[in-house]
Amino acid sequence: AQSVTQLGSHVSVSEGALVLLRCNYSSSVPPYLFWYVQYPNQGLQLLLKYTSAATLVKGINGFEAEFKKSETSFHLTKPSAHMSDAAEYFCAVTVRVGGTYKYIFGTGTRLKVLA
Amino acid sequence: DGGITQSPKYLFRKEGQNVTLSCEQNLNHDAMYWYRQDPGQGLRLIYYSQIVNDFQKGDIAEGYSVSREKKESFPLTVTSAQKNPTAFYLCASSIRGVIPPGQPAYEQYFGPGTRLTVT
Repeated sequence: AQSVTQLGSHVSVSEGALVLLRCNYSSSVPPYLFWYVQYPNQGLQLLLKYTSAATLVKGINGFEAEFKKSETSFHLTKPSAHMSDAAEYFCAVTVRVGGTYKYIFGTGTRLKVLA
Repeated sequence: DGGITQSPKYLFRKEGQNVTLSCEQNLNHDAMYWYRQDPGQGLRLIYYSQIVNDFQKGDIAEGYSVSREKKESFPLTVTSAQKNPTAFYLCASSIRGVIPPGQPAYEQYFGPGTRLTVT
């Protein structure tokens, strides 16, 4: 069964430091993968998505993620953290059900940015 | 501006009462979804609808009901049978609900959520 694991429920980085949020998936077929960001008491906003084109995917706000099939990973990175990046981040993988897809979400990683 | 609206933002109910959460989209999307979010558990799928007049149970449908009479609307009713209804509820939509094999999945667009508290 498809699943997604986000290592680290809380990550702290200093402002200006590299951000690395981890996501590993399990899927028996080539997956479609997404990263979303959620600010407090708000809905989720798409950061980026992988749909089997380029393995390095660039998203909004300077984030990018690399699809590594051999490692079943889709880690999210940003070279330099900004205070406004403090939020919760969710990785999601799709699973085929009937004529459509369901989305399986990880449990989230809360990013804290230290001044 | 196109988007998804959920109302109200905060909702309080007494135990034993049914309550309906509103979700409306003007994106002309075929598919709509309801998720429940609890701290540390990510998002769990309650119901989804691929097209109007059709919907399927998700992973935690017990104690919930939905309808999809109009393309733009997908209300969720939390019934008194739901044992632990206090949570943050998120509605989402996606441009296509029926996707042929080999075609990629589309991203979901989320509403701002409704925080339901039942006491």
